[in-house]
Amino acid sequence: EVQLLESGGGLVQPGGSLRLSCAASGFTFSSYAMNWVRQAPGKGLEWVSSITNSGGNTYYADSVKGRFTFSRDNSKNTLYLQMNSLRAEDTAVYYCAKPAAIGKFYFDCWGQGTLVTVSS
Amino acid sequence: EIVLTQSPATLSMSPGERATLSCGASQSVSSSYLAWYQQKPGLAPRLLIYDASSRATGIPDRFSGSGSGTDFTLTISRLEPEDFAVYYCQQYGSSPRTFGQGTKVEIK
Repeated sequence: EVQLLESGGGLVQPGGSLRLSCAASGFTFSSYAMNWVRQAPGKGLEWVSSITNSGGNTYYADSVKGRFTFSRDNSKNTLYLQMNSLRAEDTAVYYCAKPAAIGKFYFDCWGQGTLVTVSS
Repeated sequence: EIVLTQSPATLSMSPGERATLSCGASQSVSSSYLAWYQQKPGLAPRLLIYDASSRATGIPDRFSGSGSGTDFTLTISRLEPEDFAVYYCQQYGSSPRTFGQGTKVEIK
């Protein structure tokens, strides 16, 4: 069974940092590009970042570019999202999401999400 | 960036009725690379439709998708109680991949 399990969310002050993790299982992790998608409270979905299967290339939404860093450890089947210079508008549930097939960019498996709250 | 506009924002329906949800794109979505997701409160989104009209694994055939270019539609032929939820469209034909703001299907 394909599973994604996020962790690392919590309350952080504006300007602070947080690192999210996503542990993957049930599929050939190193073959898939992976993604982070977030959802602010009561709002819609926003793609945040993607990483290629090797980790060699990363892509970011303009809203997080320069502040967030997406990485992966294929030996541990784990994704990481380092979030720096956090702002109130980064408050959201953060989901890691797996594409439905290699090379595709729609998502058939999502984690349960981890809540990040940026507030003083 | 392609902006997706979903309408209506809220759809008030009764079980057994047919629901039609729209997703309009600010530019043509290449290769009809459009997906639909269902989300229930407190849960992650669930993939329903990809490539505009292909049903994902395990999705009942009462869900169907259509459209191309800038206009896409999700149809639920007969609403079941478990279908009352929020629905999002997503385009993945160009970067950044973008989502619509959602349509809530609520019980009338």
